[in-house]
Amino acid sequence: AQTVTQSQPEMSVQEAETVTLSCTYDTSESDYYLFWYKQPPSRQMILVIRQEAYKQQNATENRFSVNFQKAAKSFSLKISDSQLGDAAMYFCAYRSAFLGGGADGLTFGKGTHLIIQP
Amino acid sequence: DGGITQSPKYLFRKEGQNVTLSCEQNLNHDAMYWYRQDPGQGLRLIYYSQIVNDFQKGDIAEGYSVSREKKESFPLTVTSAQKNPTAFYLCASSRPGSPLHFGNGTRLTVT
Repeated sequence: AQTVTQSQPEMSVQEAETVTLSCTYDTSESDYYLFWYKQPPSRQMILVIRQEAYKQQNATENRFSVNFQKAAKSFSLKISDSQLGDAAMYFCAYRSAFLGGGADGLTFGKGTHLIIQP
Repeated sequence: DGGITQSPKYLFRKEGQNVTLSCEQNLNHDAMYWYRQDPGQGLRLIYYSQIVNDFQKGDIAEGYSVSREKKESFPLTVTSAQKNPTAFYLCASSRPGSPLHFGNGTRLTVT
């Protein structure tokens, strides 16, 4: 079974600064997807960014980018120019890409609470 | 707009009563999921369904039951056998290999 570990229960950053959230995972599979979700106080789960394991290029979505290190099984999220609206819980998640795999949805880490200091 | 609707947003029940949480989607997704969220625990999978009239247990299925009679609907029943039912419940749906789309959740409080 796959596991996802987020070692930072809470992070704090000054507004406009850059912050990196860590995520590591354990799997014996070679093909999979990785995701970062944001959960603001409203508790709505919002997809931030996704990465396919077969792609070497790191995914980027505006101020959000990832550092995907497949050999190290690491998938960190970098948020540039932090804004007050970025304050939320951030969850790293894994999904198998094999046929029949991934049928059970996503495996989530326990989350990192990101605080933005004005 | 397509999406997932969970109702109600807040639900209160007395201990010993069964309660059913509603989840409806109009995204035409085959797969649907139920997750439970507790503080500091992340999201844990309760049940999932890949197709109508078929579903599988997730990691924490004890004390829960589901049905999938229609593609659009995947209700979750929290039974009296669930020892600690107070939690936030999230329903989701997806296509294979794609991200999950989530509903807004139901906060269940059992006293």
